Formats: sequence, structure tokens, C-alpha cells
Amino acid sequence: AQSVTQPDIHITVSEGASLELRCNYSYGATPYLFWYVQSPGQGLQLLLKYFSGDTLVQGIKGFEAEFKRSQSSFNLRKPSVHWSDAAEYFCAVGGNSGNTPLVFGKGTRLSVIA
Amino acid sequence: EAEVAQSPRYKITEKSQAVAFWCDPISGHATLYWYRQILGQGPELLVQFQDESVVDDSQLPKDRFSAERLKGVDSTLKIQPAELGDSAMYLCASSLLRVLNTEAFFGQGTRLTVV
Repeated sequence: AQSVTQPDIHITVSEGASLELRCNYSYGATPYLFWYVQSPGQGLQLLLKYFSGDTLVQGIKGFEAEFKRSQSSFNLRKPSVHWSDAAEYFCAVGGNSGNTPLVFGKGTRLSVIA
Repeated sequence: EAEVAQSPRYKITEKSQAVAFWCDPISGHATLYWYRQILGQGPELLVQFQDESVVDDSQLPKDRFSAERLKGVDSTLKIQPAELGDSAMYLCASSLLRVLNTEAFFGQGTRLTVV
């Protein structure tokens, strides 16, 4: 069965510092990978997605993620964190045909300090 | 910009009462999902529709939960009777069908508190 592991429950970084959120997946077929962000009490906003091609994908708000098949990973990165990036981040795996539900990790909560 | 609409945003109900949530997907999206997100966890699928048909409801607690999408557009999720453990965020999402390289779009969710 497919699964997603986000090893870090909570990460705190200083504003301006770099960020990497880890994600490992297990999926029986070709994985299609997503990162979503959720602010408190809000829905999920898509940051970026990987379907095929270049393994380094760019997303919104300056985020990027790299797909590494050999490591079954899809880590999210940002070179310089802003205070407004504080939120919950979810990695998810699913299909790409519009009728495959997503399987989510448990999330990583990001706190940003001055 | 098209959005997935959900109502209400917040709902407080007493245990053993009935509660219902409504979702209006993005126009033209044949696939609709209901997810439940317990505080501190990732969303988990409850039910998936393709048009008006249920595709997957294997994780839906059918003794108390029901979902319908009668005309293949908007959808209602009902809980009767509500239990304390049902307190969670209920998220609706929609996506195009048979379109490659597409993603699901989520609504703002309904935060349910059962007291």
C-alpha cells in the first residue's frame, strides 16, 4: 500500500535561513508527488507537483523540490525563509489521471523565528 | 479564479446530533473527494465520487456517515449521530477526470467540533 513519511513533526528556523522538509514515499507504480501548505484553520494550497521530466521542480512562493527515485524521496526546499512561511506542510503521493486519491503524510509544522 | 466552495466553515454540535456539510466543486470537475483531517494529522480519504457514482468509500464509517452527489455536481456529507471522535476538519476536493498531469483542488474545509 502506498504511504508517505514525513520524519520531522516540527521544525523551527530563523527568518532568512534555508529550509529543507523531508518526505519519503512508498508507491507501487510511478509516483506522482505533491507538496501542499496549510495555514491554521485553512484548506490546502498546492505548492508544487512532480509528474515526470526534470526531477527538480519549482513551485510557488520560492519553493522547490527534488525527486530522487533511488531514495524514494521528494524533499521540499527554500533558500531563504520568510516569517509568512510559518504553516503546516504536507507531502502527498497519488496518480495523475484525475481520479486517484492522494495519500498524505502526517505533516511538518514550520515555525519561523526572528 | 474558480474555487471549491464548502459550508459551513465552522460547526459546533452536540454528540448524538446530526450534522451535514456541503461542497460545491469547481465547475466541470467530475471527481470529488471528501477527506477528514484530525488535528495534527494529514488528511485521510473518506469517499470519492466520479460524477454521481461512489468510486471508493472503503474508509467511510457507514454506520454513521453518508455521502451523496445526486446530480454529479455538489455533494453533501452527513454524520448521524455525531460522536466526540468526529471532531476534525472535513475537506472537500475536486479534480478533472481523464486529464493527465492534473491535481486536486481543495476547499477551505469545515471545522467540526462535537461537544
